[in-house]
Amino acid sequence: QSVLTQPPSVSGAPGQRVTMSCTGSSSNIGAGYDVHWYQQLPGTAPKLLIYGNINRPSGVPDRFSGSKSGTSASLAITGLQAEDEADYYCQSYDSSLSVWVFGGGTKLTVL
Amino acid sequence: EVQLVQSGAELKKPGESLKISCKGSGYKFTSHWIAWVRQMPGKGLEWMGIIYPGDSDTRYSPSFQGQVTISADKSISTAYLQWSSLKASDTAMFYCARGLYGSGANDPFDIWGQGTMVTVSA
Repeated sequence: QSVLTQPPSVSGAPGQRVTMSCTGSSSNIGAGYDVHWYQQLPGTAPKLLIYGNINRPSGVPDRFSGSKSGTSASLAITGLQAEDEADYYCQSYDSSLSVWVFGGGTKLTVL
Repeated sequence: EVQLVQSGAELKKPGESLKISCKGSGYKFTSHWIAWVRQMPGKGLEWMGIIYPGDSDTRYSPSFQGQVTISADKSISTAYLQWSSLKASDTAMFYCARGLYGSGANDPFDIWGQGTMVTVSA
């Protein structure tokens, strides 16, 4: 049971927009800690996709965007491409546990 | 180029000890946290612990406290993850990752090692 809750899977057709959620609590996201998102392509190491809730590292397409509100955060992907098929993880810090935490991950399938 | 290079895959027997490494280059190693992350086969990412090589301040997830030891040798820009007695359930991919800012709680992990696969089997 992850401290941050993500839907196990989402799917969309090429060109569509998909969103995925990351739900936390008052001791992590709701306490004001930043949410970061990682993309893990099959067989590869995770890659930082969104940091500080809304920021994209250099090289990440602007099709990817992040948002945060209250105790939740979301990742949106527009103009879905086949290469976006991957696992996506949110991450934050939990002050009650004093640990960094990941969500359980969401598998994105491009139909 | 900023990178973390991890040691190679390991095949060990239950009860054996193991120390895997993560060498940083292209940046000031002592100014950034290094985290260790476990990924069991077909499963998600689990944060194990973190070390600040500058002063060796180390934190552990309660799930991994007492099960592993995290250390660093700043003279050779290398962080380590070690086990004293492996179990079959330790079979997993282990990643090291760098905290971007060196500030701690709000650090994203911007650079990841390529991963070290540890297989524990009799």
